[in-house]
Amino acid sequence: EAQVTQNPRYLITVTGKKLTVTCSQNMNHEYMSWYRQDPGLGLRQIYYSMNVEVTDKGDVPEGYKVSRKEKRNFPLILESPSPNQTSLYFCASSHHRDGQPQHFGDGTRLSIL
Amino acid sequence: QKEVEQNSGPLSVPEGAIASLNCTYSDRVSQSFFWYRQYSGKSPELIMSIYSNGDKEDGRFTAQLNKASQYVSLLIRDSQPSDSATYLCAVNPSGEAGTALIFGKGTTLSVSS
Repeated sequence: EAQVTQNPRYLITVTGKKLTVTCSQNMNHEYMSWYRQDPGLGLRQIYYSMNVEVTDKGDVPEGYKVSRKEKRNFPLILESPSPNQTSLYFCASSHHRDGQPQHFGDGTRLSIL
Repeated sequence: QKEVEQNSGPLSVPEGAIASLNCTYSDRVSQSFFWYRQYSGKSPELIMSIYSNGDKEDGRFTAQLNKASQYVSLLIRDSQPSDSATYLCAVNPSGEAGTALIFGKGTTLSVSS
């Protein structure tokens, strides 16, 4: 089954404690992306990756890091989480061809206390 | 700033009626347009893609695109309570491969039985 898998689905943690949200896709997609979704603000892109070892900032990259060492994986790293990073996070992927829609993971709800 | 605008709603329709959801976009060269459905707390799910002017039908859903007016819409015929969700319009602003989609903030649809 084609899918984008995120882990964990839910996490409550404290300020300053480093965390990683994993994302894996099994569709051999070149393009992967992280979004956060907040009430009234919609989906905002954090980082994206066009292919292995190629990453770039989206609209709201501050406080986040990513890496793309393998095509299927695109982890999101919060080195020192803060309460303003409490949000619903989505990973998405697509083929690196014009006009392809993005397929989303089930989401990760993060609460930073 | 490239933008995608949607009326936040809520749009309320009775069961069996036609729901009409609208979206405008600012980038004239946009080539690819998508509608996603998102239930509360869940991930966006692709329901329609449209690339050419005119109508595209898929079951009870019809997407309409007018590039001259920079307008894309989604019609849902015979609306059901299960259609109650937030509908996100997404646009590929440049038509280039791998370009990040720009999402509207979504329109909330409520279908009453």
